[in-house]
Amino acid sequence: QQQVKQSPQSLIVQKGGIPIINCAYENTAFDYFPWYQQFPGKGPALLIAIRPDVSEKKEGRFTISFNKSAKQFSLHIMDSQPGDSATYFCAASIEAGTALIFGKGTTLSVSS
Amino acid sequence: DTAVSQTPKYLVTQMGNDKSIKCEQNLGHDTMYWYKQDSKKFLKIMFSYNNKELIINETVPNRFSPKSPDKAHLNLHINSLELGDSAVYFCASSRQGDEKLFFGSGTQLSVL
Repeated sequence: QQQVKQSPQSLIVQKGGIPIINCAYENTAFDYFPWYQQFPGKGPALLIAIRPDVSEKKEGRFTISFNKSAKQFSLHIMDSQPGDSATYFCAASIEAGTALIFGKGTTLSVSS
Repeated sequence: DTAVSQTPKYLVTQMGNDKSIKCEQNLGHDTMYWYKQDSKKFLKIMFSYNNKELIINETVPNRFSPKSPDKAHLNLHINSLELGDSAVYFCASSRQGDEKLFFGSGTQLSVL
């Protein structure tokens, strides 16, 4: 049973475009929703995270939009650059120390 | 200084062998994890230790045994390796009460 569903599986955008990656969750006990970025040969690294009491969070060119009633959240990357080409994972957890449940990942390619 | 370090980076071995992967973190974190990333990049938690005590043990074959000699180290021993064990194994750590995970660079295990 997949608790966090992520789409699309892959995404190709032109430099300067705004890729959007979507995630949906089922467990209403989830209280923390991070996005991780992974480059080839490296481990995932935290990009940005949000809690359900906030509808939007922005850090630099990265924005999370959160819709609690729809149980969905998304990542927007403004003015995307070739260096943003990576795999992006959404995730969710109930509380610190519990399992972080990951989506299946989205491979983003930003062409110059 | 690498925050979460894993050794070896690559591990190629024959079916039926026993192997270990070592993980060390110098962040002073209390909780450490093992995640498995399959060929489709899906990340799934295997184990979690808090101050040397096992707190998460997902449905993982008994052939996998984590060992935490102290809170800075979490090793993974795998007995009787099978073809299906081929994957990238990531160690991660977090501060108690904090959801942010810090991942190592992974160990690429190939079972022939």
